[in-house]
Amino acid sequence: KAGVTQTPRYLIKTRGQQVTLSCSPISGHRSVSWYQQTPGQGLQFLFEYFSETQRNKGNFPGRFSGRQFSNSRSEMNVSTLELGDSALYLCASSLASGTGDYEQYFGPGTRLTVT
Amino acid sequence: AQSVTQLGSHVSVSEGALVLLRCNYSSSVPPYLFWYVQYPNQGLQLLLKYTSAATLVKGINGFEAEFKKSETSFHLTKPSAHMSDAAEYFCAVSGSGGYNKLIFGAGTRLAVHP
Repeated sequence: KAGVTQTPRYLIKTRGQQVTLSCSPISGHRSVSWYQQTPGQGLQFLFEYFSETQRNKGNFPGRFSGRQFSNSRSEMNVSTLELGDSALYLCASSLASGTGDYEQYFGPGTRLTVT
Repeated sequence: AQSVTQLGSHVSVSEGALVLLRCNYSSSVPPYLFWYVQYPNQGLQLLLKYTSAATLVKGINGFEAEFKKSETSFHLTKPSAHMSDAAEYFCAVSGSGGYNKLIFGAGTRLAVHP
């Protein structure tokens, strides 16, 4: 079974631009979560989608948004990029959601650099 | 609120020595606890998870962890380190009602020297 895939793997953008990252979960998984990883703040939860609905959201500004499609694929969008948005963005998929004990499988991440 | 503290940002061991990575958690609800490993330029790989079925949890690659409620700890151990274990390790917690939101510790970088 194929793992979680994320595209693109690397991205360089300029301040003020917007960016869209894509995540394809493991086949049959319906939950997709997004995390930001930086050297200073570590791994931080962005949001989770399940059955096309946002289930939970982390403490990030409204510039960060996401969505999930009927095939469970998910995208996240960051508008008006800032230098501090440079990070590794990780996507994780899970079979389901609700109780917190479902195993989450991570993709390789998208490395975003904002100049 | 839930939180995770990993004691020691860097741990260095000799090949063949015991690996002990420390994790303490704080949770107002029964926690679900996880250990993940991250190799350079890769995503996170699940090593093991605790979901209250058993306090001693065995994972992949010879790792295991013991849940101790009285100490609010979930330390990760491996009897004999291999060079291939060099990586960064993250402890994480989630809880009922939090859906799949994971709260991670700051991570511990494990170095293994010959």
